[in-house]
Amino acid sequence: DTEVTQTPKHLVMGMTNKKSLKCEQHMGHRAMYWYKQKAKKPPELMFVYSYEKLSINESVPSRFSPECPNSSLLNLHLHALQPEDSALYLCASSQLAGASAERLNTEAFFGQGTRLTVV
Amino acid sequence: DAKTTQPTSMDCAEGRAANLPCNHSTISGNEYVYWYRQIHSQGPQYIIHGLKNNETNEMASLIITEDRKSSTLILPHATLRDTAVYYCIVRIMNYGGATNKLIFGTGTLLAVQP
Repeated sequence: DTEVTQTPKHLVMGMTNKKSLKCEQHMGHRAMYWYKQKAKKPPELMFVYSYEKLSINESVPSRFSPECPNSSLLNLHLHALQPEDSALYLCASSQLAGASAERLNTEAFFGQGTRLTVV
Repeated sequence: DAKTTQPTSMDCAEGRAANLPCNHSTISGNEYVYWYRQIHSQGPQYIIHGLKNNETNEMASLIITEDRKSSTLILPHATLRDTAVYYCIVRIMNYGGATNKLIFGTGTLLAVQP
């Protein structure tokens, strides 16, 4: 199983709503990522979890709240979003290398994304 | 992570080799070169990566210059399904923590023509 599964595929929410995006992988990866992608732009890194702990927050506004409840799941909680937050939200996972793992495949596997529209 | 420079777009005839260049002149000794591609409306897909030696897999070949300041991704027989944005990324090995970044540049839109 080399899949990263994201749900829902599409989400429309109002600016006062609270919603969550979900990401799941069963590859034993201990690094998980959230990206945001606007149309015709490259993915922008938002958060990184390593060993279920938040290791990188790329100065993301607090209306986005990540959560990693276990090594297979990653959530992104959304609250009080703005229309400009409408985008494709991508989740990814990868292995983490050990000290002598030069040839370990640590490539990231991406989900198909959640297309979010804020109205 | 080192910055990369790629052409904005390229065309390639179907069945011919597609050669996608990437400049990473500020790469440091412990940074790897990764290539991903993103077909329209899908998540990015890993293609290949390397440190200093040339690499080949079932999808592509990666040629890294001896000084490591540039690389070329080669798709040997491009098909229409290879039309995508191709991203060249340099990063250190993924040990986790603050080093665990995968940062995308602007990429190259490869259009394979029939």
